[in-house]
Amino acid sequence: NAGVTQTPKFQVLKTGQSMTLQCAQDMNHNSMYWYRQDPGMGLRLIYYSASEGTTDKGEVPNGYNVSRLNKREFSLRLESAAPSQTSVYFCASSEQGAGTDTQYFGPGTRLTVL
Amino acid sequence: GNSVTQMEGPVTLSEEAFLTINCTYTATGYPSLFWYVQYPGEGLQLLLKATKADDKGSNKGFEATYRKETTSFHLEKGSVQVSDSAVYFCALINGSSNTGKLIFGQGTTLQVKP
Repeated sequence: NAGVTQTPKFQVLKTGQSMTLQCAQDMNHNSMYWYRQDPGMGLRLIYYSASEGTTDKGEVPNGYNVSRLNKREFSLRLESAAPSQTSVYFCASSEQGAGTDTQYFGPGTRLTVL
Repeated sequence: GNSVTQMEGPVTLSEEAFLTINCTYTATGYPSLFWYVQYPGEGLQLLLKATKADDKGSNKGFEATYRKETTSFHLEKGSVQVSDSAVYFCALINGSSNTGKLIFGQGTTLQVKP
């Protein structure tokens, strides 16, 4: 099992450019999540998908869109990148999204917006 | 709303020293509590969890006890090793959650010197 995989690992964008971060899991999990990690702020939830076909906003959704393509894949899109979106992005998944579930994280994408 | 507060870092210890990282929380109902660890250059991985009051989570020599009366979930280890150097995150999921949304503390960096 590869677990949760993310591509790319690193990306540099110019302000205004767009890009899509890809995430896939092979654990047959129902729920998937996108977080951003900024120094001194822990991880903050951007969007989540409780099950295939559904998506909902998290704490910091502005400037992002998501697509739950199928049960395995959950992508995050930046339509017009801004320097404030410079961050490390983590995708995660969990079995059911229940209160006791463990979330499994990918290795992260380090994004720099110039 | 729900929140998690961790002690400020970085924490620097000598090998074999005793470790405590404080974590307190604010939540409605009965949350599940988690400690995640992030080794340099990697994603987060679950270290331990506790899903009800007075439960003790343990793994790799680390322990934490869910104390409802003090709303705390402090992480302890009796003898740290250099390989324990990492960032530690305390987190919670609301007990009535059906989405698995994690609320993270800001993280505490631990550096262990030989």
